[in-house]
Amino acid sequence: DGGITQSPKYLFRKEGQNVTLSCEQNLNHDAMYWYRQDPGQGLRLIYYSQIVNDFQKGDIAEGYSVSREKKESFPLTVTSAQKNPTAFYLCATSGVREADTQYFGPGTRLTVL
Amino acid sequence: GQNIDQPTEMTATEGAIVQINCTYQTSGFNGLFWYQQHAGEAPTFLSYNVLDGLEEKGRFSSFLSRSKGYSYLLLKELQMKDSASYLCAVSDSNYQLIWGAGTKLIIKP
Repeated sequence: DGGITQSPKYLFRKEGQNVTLSCEQNLNHDAMYWYRQDPGQGLRLIYYSQIVNDFQKGDIAEGYSVSREKKESFPLTVTSAQKNPTAFYLCATSGVREADTQYFGPGTRLTVL
Repeated sequence: GQNIDQPTEMTATEGAIVQINCTYQTSGFNGLFWYQQHAGEAPTFLSYNVLDGLEEKGRFSSFLSRSKGYSYLLLKELQMKDSASYLCAVSDSNYQLIWGAGTKLIIKP
């Protein structure tokens, strides 16, 4: 069954703890993205990767880190340096041709207490 | 700066037609996307326009005017399940997506 999986769907953490959100895909897409969504705002790009072992910062990378060791996986770590980590986190994938459509995983809602 | 504008909220009646507008100012243009997002769920792809004109896909159509920096999504024969947020996104000169804040569409019986 092809698709993008994110786990867990809901995550609760105490302030000051790092937390890692997983994103796995079996669509054979080269590009993967992490977005953050807050109420009343558009999606904001955190990091993206177009090839294994390479990734680029998006508009709001501070306080986050990623790795891309396998084509299928692009985990996001929310560190204690992120000032307002409570948000809905969305992972997306696409091909690398010009303006390829991005497809989204189900998302992880992170709440930091 | 780069900017995408959409109305925050719209209300329409079941069975009617609604038009959701999107205006944009971006550094470069490589296409415009519309996505649908139900509450608490991920966005799902609806349409892509890169040339001027109307693209029709069943009950949904999307229009683009590059000279005016304007697009709209037209939903016909509205159903209750169309209650959702509709997101407009523009691919800029670096092929990065710039997202609008979304339009929440409320359908009333």
